Amino acid sequence: GAVVSQHPSWVICKSGTSVKIECRSLDFQATTMFWYRQFPKQSLMLMATSNEGSKATYEQGVEKDKFLINHASLTLSTLTVTSAHPEDSSFYICSATRGSGAYEQYFGPGTRLTVT
Amino acid sequence: SQKIEQNSEALNIQEGKTATLTCNYTNYSPAYLQWYRQDPGRGPVFLLLIRENEKEKRKERLKVTFDTTLKQSLFHITASQPADSATYLCALENGGFKTIFGAGTRLFVKA
Repeated sequence: GAVVSQHPSWVICKSGTSVKIECRSLDFQATTMFWYRQFPKQSLMLMATSNEGSKATYEQGVEKDKFLINHASLTLSTLTVTSAHPEDSSFYICSATRGSGAYEQYFGPGTRLTVT
Repeated sequence: SQKIEQNSEALNIQEGKTATLTCNYTNYSPAYLQWYRQDPGRGPVFLLLIRENEKEKRKERLKVTFDTTLKQSLFHITASQPADSATYLCALENGGFKTIFGAGTRLFVKA
């Protein structure tokens, strides 16, 4: 149990376009979902925390108008990178926790975004 | 400022030996600490969670210790196998449900 999927697994887009990444918990209801980005050989950087039905909480330095997060249901969160630029190229990973008081995170397989 | 330090150099060991990875932290008082495994191009996979009042936790060939005085956790893999080769991430609770990850240590197990 505790499977999280992400779609797409990789995407190439042109500068100035928007890209939507989906994160789904397949066999559990996720009370909280997290979005991270990761650069090669670096740590996961938390971008935002989202709870179903409420606005996402963004980390300092993360532009909320650039990275739109929608947590529409207990099994689906989406991250939209708006007006993408080459510097947005990165590995984006979502994770979810299940149940209140649960701390371990279940991660999706990640989405490799390349902006040309 | 808060820091999590994991050895950035890769750890190379022979199959069958015990691998020991270190996680040190400063300016934290985490209620719990977690270890994850990450393979290249994949999301991390949860391995173990240890709470501040627990000194040691085991799961199959894995053992984690948590010393809140030294501000250090050790992660051991006994009878290591080439399939254990991956990057291992230490993660600390940083208030509420927010988790901060270390950069990870790459482990190579040679057959």
